Amino acid sequence: AQTIHQWPVAEIKAVGSPLSLGCTIKGKSSPNLYWYWQATGGTLQQLFYSITVGQVESVVQLNLSASRPKDDQFILSTEKLLLSHSGFYLCASRDRGANERLFFGHGTKLSVL
Amino acid sequence: GEKVEQHESTLSVREGDSAVINCTYTDTASSYFPWYKQEAGKSLHFVIDIRSNVDRKQSQRLIVLLDKKAKRFSLHITATQPEDSAIYFCAASRNSNNRIFFGDGTQLVVKP
Repeated sequence: AQTIHQWPVAEIKAVGSPLSLGCTIKGKSSPNLYWYWQATGGTLQQLFYSITVGQVESVVQLNLSASRPKDDQFILSTEKLLLSHSGFYLCASRDRGANERLFFGHGTKLSVL
Repeated sequence: GEKVEQHESTLSVREGDSAVINCTYTDTASSYFPWYKQEAGKSLHFVIDIRSNVDRKQSQRLIVLLDKKAKRFSLHITATQPEDSAIYFCAASRNSNNRIFFGDGTQLVVKP
């Protein structure tokens, strides 16, 4: 069975500080991977997707970057946090090449103060 | 690009009644329409989906209808239970495309 582990579970950071969020997928080979952002009680905004190691496509610019250093790992980062980065970050996976359901990780709650 | 609209931001029903959540989309090339459930403070999980080659799908108490002409799809939850209370998101995507567009979510409250 597929599992998605996101870290950290929650983070409180200062404006202007760096950030790194991670996601590891187990039980699925070469998945498509996605980062989503959700403002408190709000809609989901797709940030990035990756179909293979080393290849990341940006969907929206929010002063964030993403990388896929390994087949089962997806990293979201920024060097300088903004207040507007606060929210819930969700990593998701989907079978490669398939128009199928997304499997979501448990999410990371980020508060920027 | 695709725009998915969810028409009910909140929906309140009595336990045992049916709930219907409606979504519309704009891209005629969209062919896959999943629904996700988000309980308070938690992540999303998949509940049911429908593809454009059918117009109805049922899984236990969940029914999804798709009207391609009207570019509309809906989630019907029959015999609602308190544990159905959550935010429900509809989504749409094209074949072999990694852009997945979500609606804004509908908060469903099932009152005992």
